[in-house]
Amino acid sequence: EAQVTQNPRYLITVTGKKLTVTCSQNMNHEYMSWYRQDPGLGLRQIYYSMNVEVTDKGDVPEGYKVSRKEKRNFPLILESPSPNQTSLYFCASRQYGLQETQYFGPGTRLLVL
Amino acid sequence: AQTVTQSQPEMSVQEAETVTLSCTYDTSENNYYLFWYKQPPSRQMILVIRQEAYKQQNATENRFSVNFQKAAKSFSLKISDSQLGDTAMYFCATGSSNTGKLIFGQGTTLQVKP
Repeated sequence: EAQVTQNPRYLITVTGKKLTVTCSQNMNHEYMSWYRQDPGLGLRQIYYSMNVEVTDKGDVPEGYKVSRKEKRNFPLILESPSPNQTSLYFCASRQYGLQETQYFGPGTRLLVL
Repeated sequence: AQTVTQSQPEMSVQEAETVTLSCTYDTSENNYYLFWYKQPPSRQMILVIRQEAYKQQNATENRFSVNFQKAAKSFSLKISDSQLGDTAMYFCATGSSNTGKLIFGQGTTLQVKP
């Protein structure tokens, strides 16, 4: 089954404690991205990657890091989480090209205390 | 820069009736796409419909259709014969063919009433 998986699905942490949200896709997609969803703001792109070892900032990259060492994985790293990073996070993937369908992961609900 | 505006935070419709969700956008791109996504209470993001900007014909998918007005930069979604399962938040989005990035609107929460 074609899918994007994210782990964990729910996470409560404290300010400053490093965390990683994993994202994996099984469709051999080139393009992967991370979004955060906040009430009244919709989804905003954090980082994206066009292929292995190729990543770039989206619209709200501050406080986040990513890496793309393998085509299937695109982890999101919060080195020192702060309460303003409390949000719902989505990973997404597709073949490069907007004519291709973008697949979203199930979302990760993060609460930073 | 690209922007997407959904001016209706919440809407409701009676089951079996028709409802239209509004979306306006701004872009300097010549080659772009427009999308409507559905997010039910499960939070899963589901593609409802996609429109290529260079195609004048409005896209349709079963009970879902769009009214694409390129000059006015408007991209509304019409849901016909509304069903209870259509209750969800709906996001309008535009994407640049150059960068592949999607820009989302704020979302419209739609409630279908029995």
